[in-house]
Parts: sequence; structure tokens; C-alpha cells
Amino acid sequence: DSGVTQTPKHLITATGQRVTLRCSPRSGDLSVYWYQQSLDQGLQFLIQYYNGEERAKGNILERFSAQQFPDLHSELNLSSLELGDSALYFCASSVEGRGRDEQYFGPGTRLTVT
Amino acid sequence: DAKTTQPTSMDCAEGRAANLPCNHSTISGNEYVYWYRQIHSQGPQYIIHGLKNNETNEMASLIITEDRKSSTLILPHATLRDTAVYYCIVRVTDSWGKLQFGAGTQVVVTP
Repeated sequence: DSGVTQTPKHLITATGQRVTLRCSPRSGDLSVYWYQQSLDQGLQFLIQYYNGEERAKGNILERFSAQQFPDLHSELNLSSLELGDSALYFCASSVEGRGRDEQYFGPGTRLTVT
Repeated sequence: DAKTTQPTSMDCAEGRAANLPCNHSTISGNEYVYWYRQIHSQGPQYIIHGLKNNETNEMASLIITEDRKSSTLILPHATLRDTAVYYCIVRVTDSWGKLQFGAGTQVVVTP
């Protein structure tokens, strides 16, 4: 158990809908990251927050947005969902958010868009 | 961040040491070598990281060559639970720290 929690574990929804994925970091960690893993793309970095502020952005679609709240939990919002958004979404956390930090991953949310 | 090259797959016998190579010939002086693994569809798991010196923890040992252009992850006594995809990742120490995952090495431990 990494100490990072993600909810829900599974999500099935229809195209065009909007969903919110939630992540609680390990106690004491200030930085949160979101990654997407689809069958054909592997693990892709989406976005990073540190203490509520966005710090790095990957190839995150404009239909996706995220935020980190004052209690440090984070939410990833996916809207106008398409079939290709079906994937595993992982959240990770680390103490400082820099390259010398190890990241600890949650168990993931499996999103299926039908 | 520097790119890494790993073999696509490796087999290992249970109880034997597994030696996983990684090439990172373009690594810079301020880049760490990190190893993660992912057991089928679970969240990636941190294993170990190092800058210049060899490192050891309860999970594995990391051997980095003197020129830092390659490294080897050693699982001293592989078990069936070590079957996973292993990722070697190079990261700049002070930048905001996304992990750039490649294809990794699929390690299968057999009885």
C-alpha cells in the first residue's frame, strides 16, 4: 500500500459525459501528479501540482482539467468523453515535486467510455 | 531528460538473481537514474534511484557504471511476485518532476 488513495476504482460512462476522478496524496506529500495509461500509448504524464499550484503539464487534452485543493487532495475532470479516453488513470504524490523525489502511485481508476 | 534503452523482455528463474540492464548514454551530470515496476495494471511502484554511487535497499541494488552511461538493477532473489514490467527512467534533479515512462522490460519469473 503506497498511501495514495484514488476513487472510484472503476467508472463506466457514455461518450459525451463528464467525470471526476479523485486522489488523496500520502500524508506529508505536497505534490500530486496525474498519469494516463492506455493500451496503445503506455504511461503518459498529464499534469503536476505542488501545494495547490500547477507546476508541469504534459500532453493533457483541453477537455481535461485538474486542480489541487487546500487540503492537498486533487481532482481530475474529464469532459466530452470519447471512446479513446478509456484508460487507467493514476495519481502519484511526492514530498517536494522535484526530480530528486520518488513518486508513489495510487491503485488507479479504470475508466471505460461506451 | 535523457532517453533510456532497455531490453523488451527477460526471463528469470525463481530464487536466482535478476539483472536488468539499462542504457542511458546521453545522461547529464544532474540527472538521477530511477527504477519503477508495474505489476499487471497496478500502480507503478518505486524501487530505487541513484545519482553516481551504487545503491541498495530492501528491494534491490542499483549499479551505475563509472561513466554513468548505463546501469543495472539487481533483484537478488527473484520470486514469482517480481513478475512485472520494469522501467528505467532518467530525471533531472531540480526540475519539476514528471516521470517519462518508456516501454520498459517485461520480466517473467518462472518456477
